Amino acid sequence: QSALTQPASVSGSPGQSITISCTGTSSDVGSYKLVSWYQQHPGKAPKLLIYEVSKRPSGVSNRFSGSKSGNTASLTISGLQAEDEADYYCSSYVRTTTSYVLFGGGTKLTVL
Amino acid sequence: QVQLVQSGAEVKKPGASVKLSCKTSGYTFNTYGVTWVRQAPGQGLEWIGWISVYNGKTDYAEKLQGRVTMTTDTSTTTAFMELRSLGSDDTAIYFCARLRSGWDIDFWGQGALVTVSS
Repeated sequence: QSALTQPASVSGSPGQSITISCTGTSSDVGSYKLVSWYQQHPGKAPKLLIYEVSKRPSGVSNRFSGSKSGNTASLTISGLQAEDEADYYCSSYVRTTTSYVLFGGGTKLTVL
Repeated sequence: QVQLVQSGAEVKKPGASVKLSCKTSGYTFNTYGVTWVRQAPGQGLEWIGWISVYNGKTDYAEKLQGRVTMTTDTSTTTAFMELRSLGSDDTAIYFCARLRSGWDIDFWGQGALVTVSS
């Protein structure tokens, strides 16, 4: 199955807010409230930011928020900080004859 | 604290197999799944598959079906992933990670670079 669609890059200035979209289909993002978002800094393992569309794990800043409408999920980062510069990936649970995770292609966030 | 510590980097020739390990600690091993994700150089994340530690059930990415096998050893709380018939496009960093019931991944190993080269 094809990867979820994310913009290749987004940018913003410190203090601003940005939103990263993650578009799937009615078979994945649109069917389940099991969308997650991950942040990955260069050379590091990914870090869970958002799970089940809009929930934040303990320790994740409330500047990160998630939502979903139809087949598109979104990650919003408010009050941009320099350390937010990283790659961001969405994922969705999918159930067909098997269960699997489908990732987005990733979005490079640049803090100007 | 939850930790997943992976085995080291590997260099393999085309056609060979690789078996990676992932030693877990800090949580009850059989109450979570273990998933494997890879990342080719400069590319995005690719899901390889998962194993239920509880009952051994596995699901693999369709494109790797038949070449990948995931297992666990509950006595040592270690997960393993074997990938066979390696090709150059299998060159990647391979991550093991803890998979929760909501199909999100909350703890990751440090990654292991597998290089396939003649």
